[in-house]
Amino acid sequence: DVKVTQSSRYLVKRTGEKVFLECVQDMDHENMFWYRQDPGLGLRLIYFSYDVKMKEKGDIPEGYSVSREKKERFSLILESASTNQTSMYLCASSLPGYLPYEQYFGPGTRLTVT
Amino acid sequence: SQQGEEDPQALSIQEGENATMNCSYKTSINNLQWYRQNSGRGLVHLILIRSNEREKHSGRLRVTLDTSKKSSSLLITASRAADTASYFCATVPNTGNQFYFGTGTSLTVIP
Repeated sequence: DVKVTQSSRYLVKRTGEKVFLECVQDMDHENMFWYRQDPGLGLRLIYFSYDVKMKEKGDIPEGYSVSREKKERFSLILESASTNQTSMYLCASSLPGYLPYEQYFGPGTRLTVT
Repeated sequence: SQQGEEDPQALSIQEGENATMNCSYKTSINNLQWYRQNSGRGLVHLILIRSNEREKHSGRLRVTLDTSKKSSSLLITASRAADTASYFCATVPNTGNQFYFGTGTSLTVIP
């Protein structure tokens, strides 16, 4: 079974702090994704990566950056956390998009910025 | 935005009844997928239907796809209390790696 793990289930940070959210997958997937989920807005893509050191902006990249130094690990970085970044963050992985493969999700990190 | 939309936003039914939720999208797709999310958890893949398919079954799930109307429906038959969750459709375009998720339908099955 594919397993996607996220470093924290719940996180509380202060405004202005630098925040790292880590995601690890164990199925050698090329693609990895970071979403945020807010009530009434569904899932919105922040960044995705289709290979090591490769990344592409999603729909809402502002205020975020990402790092993918190893194939299994994809990190989301909030350079200076703000209260409007309080949200549920979901990481996912999949095989390459030219085939109809599903995404596998981690359990999510609920981040609160005070 | 290429985000899809589910309808209804919320649905409440009695155990044993069927639940139907719909998804509309905007662009040409390679495939469409349905996911389930239990409260406070990650999403779990349920079923995938390719653009050249019109209907697919998996256990108590039945998915239809109408590419001319850019819409899909998910039917859960003989619902159970354990089916209580949010359900999302996701469209995968013909090019690129990005998935576009809808806003979700919250299903409550009353025992």
